[in-house]
Amino acid sequence: ELKVEQNPLFLSMQEGKNYTIYCNYSTTSDRLYWYRQDPGKSLESLFVLLSNGAVKQEGRLMASLDTKARLSTLHITAAVHDLSATYFCAVEPRRGSGAGSYQLTFGKGTKLSVIP
Amino acid sequence: NAGVTQTPKFRILKIGQSMTLQCTQDMNHNYMYWYRQDPGMGLKLIYYSVGAGITDKGEVPNGYNVSRSTTEDFPLRLELAAPSQTSVYFCASRTNYGYTFGSGTRLTVV
Repeated sequence: ELKVEQNPLFLSMQEGKNYTIYCNYSTTSDRLYWYRQDPGKSLESLFVLLSNGAVKQEGRLMASLDTKARLSTLHITAAVHDLSATYFCAVEPRRGSGAGSYQLTFGKGTKLSVIP
Repeated sequence: NAGVTQTPKFRILKIGQSMTLQCTQDMNHNYMYWYRQDPGMGLKLIYYSVGAGITDKGEVPNGYNVSRSTTEDFPLRLELAAPSQTSVYFCASRTNYGYTFGSGTRLTVV
């Protein structure tokens, strides 16, 4: 059974500070996704990481993937209040021969609060 | 393109009632999914479909049924609603570029 663990689950940080959210997973993966969710809203796609060493950046967020360590990180630079949300990583396992559909397994999410 | 459309957005059911959550996509995607999200948790897969006429169980299928008669539609059926099915339900579809999620259905069973 694929396990996806995020930490921390709750993060309160001051504006202007840097921090990293970690996502560990337990099996080989084809893809790793990061999503943002605002309260009462759906999931917004942030990044799709496809290979070992992949790094993607958008604004104050940067995601990376180390498939050998089965670890992805989401780094927040100089946080602003607008980044307050819950962030999920989700893993799409590598499909073996005869395997079924693509499926996502989610972590529990990291609830980020950025305090002025 | 409207993307993935879910209806209704909110619903209150009494224990034992049944209902169908509707999901439709206009992107001609073969892969479609139903997830549920409980408070403080990530999403858990209920059922998925790899194309019209083909469905399979996910991690938490008990109490639910699905059908996929067309590429566009993937309804989720609750036959005998239970309080444990109080949750937010998301439908999604997939391409090689990633997943598109609907806006969700917030279901309360009382």
